Order: sequence, then C-alpha cells, then structure tokens
Amino acid sequence: ELKVEQNPLFLSMQEGKNYTIYCNYSTTSDRLYWYRQDPGKSLESLFVLLSNGAVKQEGRLMASLDTKARLSTLHITAAVHDLSATYFCAVDRTSGSRLTFGEGTQLTVNP
Amino acid sequence: NAGVTQTPKFQVLKTGQSMTLQCAQDMNHEYMSWYRQDPGMGLRLIHYSVGAGITDQGEVPNGYNVSRSTTEDFPLRLLSAAPSQTSVYFCASSLFGGGNQPQHFGDGTRLSIL
Repeated sequence: ELKVEQNPLFLSMQEGKNYTIYCNYSTTSDRLYWYRQDPGKSLESLFVLLSNGAVKQEGRLMASLDTKARLSTLHITAAVHDLSATYFCAVDRTSGSRLTFGEGTQLTVNP
Repeated sequence: NAGVTQTPKFQVLKTGQSMTLQCAQDMNHEYMSWYRQDPGMGLRLIHYSVGAGITDQGEVPNGYNVSRSTTEDFPLRLLSAAPSQTSVYFCASSLFGGGNQPQHFGDGTRLSIL
C-alpha cells in the first residue's frame, strides 16, 4: 500500500524567511505532484515532477524529486504573506488516474 | 472552457437519504476521479474511471457508486447517506497517460449528513 507523508503538518513562518516542506512516499514512483489549496477553495496545480533529479521553480517556490530516496521537497524562498495556504504532495503509480495524497502542510506566513 | 464543474456546491442530507453529486468536464479528458477531503487526512480516492464505460474502486469506495456513460460526465451516488460521509467531495480529470499533466480539480461539493 502506497503511503505518502508530509512534514511538517503545520508551519508558521515570518516573511522573508526560507523553509522546506518534505514529502516522503513508501513505494517506487516516478510521478509526483504538488498542489496548493486556499481555505474553502479547490486545488491548484503547482508542479509536476516526472523523473529522478527533476527540479522545477516558480517564483518563490522550488520543488525537487529524488526517486531513490522516495523524497520530494518544496522549498520556499523569502516567504511572503500570499504564500499562506495548504500545500499537498501527491504520488501516482499509474498513468495519472490514481493519486495518493499526503496529509497536507498548512503554511502561515506572518508579517 | 469551464474545466471541471461540480454541482451542487453545498448539500445537507438526512441519514438514509440518497443523492447524486454531479461532475462534468469539457476538456475531453479520459481520466476522471472522485476524492473526499477530511480534516487532517488529505484527499482520498473514492472511485475513478479511465474512459467511458470503465470504472474502478479507489481507497474508500464503500457507500458510493459511480458510472461513466459519456466522456464528459462522472456522477457519484450516495446510496444511503451516513454521518461518516460528511465531507468535501472533489471531482478531478486528466488526460490519458497524462503523467506530465496534473489532474484538474472542480470547486468541490460540501456535504453534511445529519
């Protein structure tokens, strides 16, 4: 059974600081996704990571994938309040139809 | 394109009632899925479909039925609602073999069972 674990589950940061969210998964997979969810809203796709060593960046967020370690990271650089949201990683072992999600990391960026 | 459209957005049911959550997509996606989101548990897969006429169970299928008669629509049926089914339900769609494309999510249906 595929298990996906994120840590931390809750993260309170100051603006301007850097931090990393970790996503570990239990079985081999080479497809990993990061999503953002604002309170009461839907899920917004951030990154799709498809191979070992994949690194993608968008603004203050950078995601990476190490399939050998079964680990993905989401790094936040110089956090701003607008990044406050819940971030989910999800792993897919099929062809895009079956995602297993982590519990989510609730990020709060304080002024 | 409207993307993935879910109706209703909110619903309150009594225990034992049945209802259908609607999901439609206009992106010609082969894959469609239903998830439920509960606090502290992320999203869990209920049922999914890889094309019209083909459905399969996900992680938490009990108490739910699905069918896929067209590419566009993927309704989720609650057979006899129970308080444990109080949750936020999300429908998602993606391309066939679309590992390099993310699943697109609807806005969700917030369901309360009394």
